[in-house]
Amino acid sequence: DVKVTQSSRYLVKRTGEKVFLECVQDMDHENMFWYRQDPGLGLRLIYFSYDVKMKEKGDIPEGYSVSREKKERFSLILESASTNQTSMYLCASRTTSGRAHEQFFGPGTRLTVL
Amino acid sequence: DQQVKQNSPSLSVQEGRISILNCDYTNSMFDYFLWYKKYPAEGPTFLISISSIKDKNEDGRFTVFLNKSAKHLSLHIVPSQPGDSAVYFCAAIRGNTPLVFGKGTRLSVIA
Repeated sequence: DVKVTQSSRYLVKRTGEKVFLECVQDMDHENMFWYRQDPGLGLRLIYFSYDVKMKEKGDIPEGYSVSREKKERFSLILESASTNQTSMYLCASRTTSGRAHEQFFGPGTRLTVL
Repeated sequence: DQQVKQNSPSLSVQEGRISILNCDYTNSMFDYFLWYKKYPAEGPTFLISISSIKDKNEDGRFTVFLNKSAKHLSLHIVPSQPGDSAVYFCAAIRGNTPLVFGKGTRLSVIA
């Protein structure tokens, strides 16, 4: 079974803090993604990566950056957290072969910025 | 511009009856369409998918229908169970691009 894990289930930070959200997958997937989920807005893509050292902006990259130094790990960084970044953050991964259209999600990190 | 639309934010169905969740899309180049189910405080889980060259795919109680001429797909759940209560996301993909998600429909199955 594919396993996507996220470093924290719940996180509370203060405005202006630098926040790191870590995601690790164990299936050697090439592609990894960061989304945020907000009520009424669905899943919005922040950043994604097709392979190590690669990154692409999604639909809402402002205020975020990412790092992918190893294939299995994709980090989302909030350089200076703001209250409008309070949200559920979801990491996902998928392969580029076989059933490449299926994405597997982690359990999510509920981030609250005070 | 929203490429994948779920126009019903919520749906209530009685246990044992059919649940029909709808999804419309605008991009005729999508290759696959998927449905994900999400419980509160958990990540979405893959439910069922359909290739753009098919019009129906069935997996147990779940069936997805695709009408390419109308750019419409639907998920049927028969019979509906209380454990099916969740938010359902429709998604579409073209090639190796990221999945494009709808905003979700919250299904409540009433016992």
